[in-house]
Amino acid sequence: AQSVAQPEDQVNVAEGNPLTVKCTYSVSGNPYLFWYVQYPNRGLQFLLKYITGDNLVKGSYGFEAEFNKSQTSFHLKKPSALVSDSALYFCAVRPPSGGYNKLIFGAGTRLAVHP
Amino acid sequence: EAGVTQSPTHLIKTRGQQATLRCSPISGHTSVYWYQQALGLGLQFLLWYDEGEERNRGNFPPRFSGRQFPNYSSELNVNALELEDSALYLCASSLLAGGDTQYFGPGTRLTVL
Repeated sequence: AQSVAQPEDQVNVAEGNPLTVKCTYSVSGNPYLFWYVQYPNRGLQFLLKYITGDNLVKGSYGFEAEFNKSQTSFHLKKPSALVSDSALYFCAVRPPSGGYNKLIFGAGTRLAVHP
Repeated sequence: EAGVTQSPTHLIKTRGQQATLRCSPISGHTSVYWYQQALGLGLQFLLWYDEGEERNRGNFPPRFSGRQFPNYSSELNVNALELEDSALYLCASSLLAGGDTQYFGPGTRLTVL
């Protein structure tokens, strides 16, 4: 079955420190990978995506993500966290075939950045 | 450029009633997607419309239905509401049919009493 795993319910990090939010996927073929962020009572905001090419993808607000095909991972990173980065982060995958149009989401990881 | 808009922001219904949720995609986008974000169940794909046709649906009963209008806006209808239908319903749009990045609206919070 196709799935996305975000192994941490919550990640705590001090402001100014680097952050990593983990994501692994189980999808056959070469899927498209996405990160979205959700602030309280808001919809999802697109951060970045990987389709092909360079394994390090840069996105909005200083975030980046590293695609690792052998480990089927797509971890979200930021060199220096801000308190305003505190939100719920979702990893999503678009399967390459058989319902390719839909996004399969992980359960989400709550990021808490402390001053 | 305006993003995806959804109305209403909040909707309160009682069990057995019908709910209608509306979505306007980003200008130029032809594909509209609906997702349900229910507590404890995460984000689940509901429906995909493109060029006025339903292209795919997730594992939801037939009482979840919708349509896409000639201007590419969309409507989600939920009939015979059940308590477990209480959720945030998110609409997204994309430029290309079935592909490209999906951009989400702010959602409609449906509460079923």
